[in-house]
Amino acid sequence: GAVVSQHPSRVICKSGTSVKIECRSLDFQATTMFWYRQFPKQSLMLMATSNEGSKATYEQGVEKDKFLINHASLTLSTLTVTSAHPEDSSFYICSASTYGRGGRDTQYFGPGTRLTVL
Amino acid sequence: KQEVTQIPAALSVPEGENLVLNCSFTDSAIYNLQWFRQDPGKGLTSLLLIQSSQREQTSGRLNASLDKSSGRSTLYIAASQPGDSATYLCAVSPASGGSYIPTFGRGTSLIVHP
Repeated sequence: GAVVSQHPSRVICKSGTSVKIECRSLDFQATTMFWYRQFPKQSLMLMATSNEGSKATYEQGVEKDKFLINHASLTLSTLTVTSAHPEDSSFYICSASTYGRGGRDTQYFGPGTRLTVL
Repeated sequence: KQEVTQIPAALSVPEGENLVLNCSFTDSAIYNLQWFRQDPGKGLTSLLLIQSSQREQTSGRLNASLDKSSGRSTLYIAASQPGDSATYLCAVSPASGGSYIPTFGRGTSLIVHP
């Protein structure tokens, strides 16, 4: 099956620093990638949708200047949390979809990245 | 706006029991419904996907049913094992509107003890 990886799996940083998380589709080309955030005992909340080569579409309430998303290729999307603060500590999960190639059905999820901001 | 509710929020059972996890959704105009498993600190693993035209899907000890008109789905786990301990998430994708992004429930946290 399709594989999506994320790097790093876990990151601890100081308040005020920026953190970049990578999401890669390893064995397929993803026309669309999604970034989710999950707080403890909460459901996944969609942050943004990104299509290769175009600007990301952010969900209401998500600061685009704080959460920078780049989808430079069909296999790589990055999420940069700028000037991170303790309230940004969360579990960030990406998913990749082959939507547009007939694969509307399926999003393939990455293993997630645990961000802790001290 | 679609809302997805999962009941119970948590469940602790002895090994060997048959389990039923419930998922309800408010808007029956769905494209599909998917059940995921999430281990602590890990990403999502897809278990079963039911298209809106289907009534159920089975994989091993897992069976998921869908009653679209009543806005309900159940995940049945037969002969539960400690390795089944995880959080089970239900996600519903809309049928139209150009957005196929699923709405997730909060999950049911399952513990199966030996």
